[in-house]
Amino acid sequence: KQEVTQIPAALSVPEGENLVLNCSFTDSAIYNLQWFRQDPGKGLTSLLLIQSSQREQTSGRLNASLDKSSGRSTLYIAASQPGDSATYLCAAPVGGNNRKLIWGLGTSLAVNP
Amino acid sequence: EPEVTQTPSHQVTQMGQEVILRCVPISNHLYFYWYRQILGQKVEFLVSFYNNEISEKSEIFDDQFSVERPDGSNFTLKIRSTKLEDSAMYFCASSPNVAANTGELFFGEGSRLTVL
Repeated sequence: KQEVTQIPAALSVPEGENLVLNCSFTDSAIYNLQWFRQDPGKGLTSLLLIQSSQREQTSGRLNASLDKSSGRSTLYIAASQPGDSATYLCAAPVGGNNRKLIWGLGTSLAVNP
Repeated sequence: EPEVTQTPSHQVTQMGQEVILRCVPISNHLYFYWYRQILGQKVEFLVSFYNNEISEKSEIFDDQFSVERPDGSNFTLKIRSTKLEDSAMYFCASSPNVAANTGELFFGEGSRLTVL
């Protein structure tokens, strides 16, 4: 059974810091892993998707890594800005079923000017 | 850029009433999903739909829930008789066919359902 855990639950940093958000999953036979951003009361914006054959994926100031053997993924945010303040969610599929996602509770990030 | 659209953005209803949430998936996508998020809780899978039938559903998706693709563009979630615990944000998602599929799901902005 796939379970996804994210730590920390909340993070508050000054603007400009580099930071790492962590996601762990129990079933390593995954097809991919997705990171999402959610602003308060809003929808789910896909940030990065890493295929099981990849070790990392980059988009702008965001870099996501995937280590299937240890059941971990990290989201690295470089030079954080107040506009990065949001909840970051990771979602892993149920084993080889790439369409049913199991979600973490998210990390609530506050970047202070 | 193509996107998934959902209506309404917010619906308030009385307990026991029927609710229909609507979604327009990305036009060339073949897989459709509903997820929900109760306030302060994890996003949960409800149902996936492919080739005009349910391909998988969770324990949450009981007889009070149904999905339909009434025409070539809309994908709806119906809750037959709403309960207080159905209050949540409901997200529709779609993904392309398997051959072209990286496995990425594309989500709408959500429909917030409040049951009084």
